[in-house]
Amino acid sequence: GQQLNQSPQSMFIQEGEDVSMNCTSSSIFNTWLWYKQDPGEGPVLLIALYKAGELTSNGRLTAQFGITRKDSFLNISASIPSDVGIYFCAGHASRDDKIIFGKGTRLHILP
Amino acid sequence: NAGVMQNPRHLVRRRGQEARLRCSPMKGHSHVYWYRQLPEEGLKFMVYLQKENIIDESGMPKERFSAEFPKEGPSILRIQQVVRGDSAAYFCASSPGLAGADTQYFGPGTRLTVL
Repeated sequence: GQQLNQSPQSMFIQEGEDVSMNCTSSSIFNTWLWYKQDPGEGPVLLIALYKAGELTSNGRLTAQFGITRKDSFLNISASIPSDVGIYFCAGHASRDDKIIFGKGTRLHILP
Repeated sequence: NAGVMQNPRHLVRRRGQEARLRCSPMKGHSHVYWYRQLPEEGLKFMVYLQKENIIDESGMPKERFSAEFPKEGPSILRIQQVVRGDSAAYFCASSPGLAGADTQYFGPGTRLTVL
């Protein structure tokens, strides 16, 4: 079945640093989604990507839909304490109604 | 502008009891999805429903688990005769269903603890 590999699994950074995480798939997706989950809460949609090569920003967040349709990355610039949480990538293939989720990247900011 | 609502937020059950988890989708959304999340894990798809129809239940265990989304009222995920391994966070998401399954919006989750 389809699998998403999300990396890194966790990150420890200093406040103000830029962050980059990515997802790769074993098959083609038509939609890539990036979510953030805070402790005790549900995932919140950050960015949705619908077209290969698409580069979309949401404030300090930028995400791209890879040209091969098998990968996506999320960048966070100038990290702040409230960026701490778990970031999930998710992909959707048109032949299947299910969204497949990566296992998440846990972002920690060092004091 | 209410989002996806789930209740209860926390549910404690003893082994063998029944758990009923409720989800009210966003206004105007007719598609509901249920996911399960274990600690330190990602989200695992369980079931996809439209009003009065189960579209895909391939991620839901065949025994003890059932889901419905009636014409009126919230979607219900029902777990009968709960066991300790059912302890997890259960999330509901909804989408408008205009373009497939993309752009799902999640509720805050129900955290089930089985004693």
